[in-house]
Amino acid sequence: QSVLTQPPSASGTPGQRVTISCSGSSSNIGSNTVNWYQHLPGTAPKLLIYSNNQRPSGVPDRFSGSKSGTSTSLAISGLQSEDEAEYYCATWHDSMNGPVFGGGTKLTVL
Amino acid sequence: QVQLVESGGGVVQPGRSLRLSCATSGFTFSSYGMHWVRQAPGKGLEWVAVMSSDGTNRYYADSVKGRFTISGDTSKNTLYLQMNSLGPEDTGVYYCARDFRRLFDYWGQGTLVSVSS
Repeated sequence: QSVLTQPPSASGTPGQRVTISCSGSSSNIGSNTVNWYQHLPGTAPKLLIYSNNQRPSGVPDRFSGSKSGTSTSLAISGLQSEDEAEYYCATWHDSMNGPVFGGGTKLTVL
Repeated sequence: QVQLVESGGGVVQPGRSLRLSCATSGFTFSSYGMHWVRQAPGKGLEWVAVMSSDGTNRYYADSVKGRFTISGDTSKNTLYLQMNSLGPEDTGVYYCARDFRRLFDYWGQGTLVSVSS
């Protein structure tokens, strides 16, 4: 059972906008910034969003992140088939001296 | 460009040991903290261990504390994970990842560890 809670699945059709939520507590999301990772099976996970809402160079602006209190969300607009992947939220957990991940959300593009 | 390449995975019996390696290139190894993250079959990502850039600070997930040891060789730009007393719950793909301000900016492709009799 993950410290951060994500829906196990999400779906949308090409061109649609989908949102993936991630909830935590005051000891993790509430006191640290959140990052999102995209993971395609058999490949290296990729940093998608950092510091709640920042995109690394090369990540399309179709991807956006937001945070409010102890919850955060990832939005993908103009959904494309190549967006089909697993998405993980993560934040630093001070007492662990390491990060905690959400359980992951498998996004299906119908 | 930055590259991380894991190796050392394989099939091992319960109770035995295994050492994973993560060969790095494209950056100054001694300037970055490094992590190991794993993914069990059908499960999500789980952080395993971190080593600070100078190697003085090392922290572990409770699930591996006392059994796993993270280390690095700056002369070889390589990160290691020594895994002892392995159990079926340690089965999964193990990734190394570079730390940048408490996030993972680069990951390797992973190496598969299977603990089975």
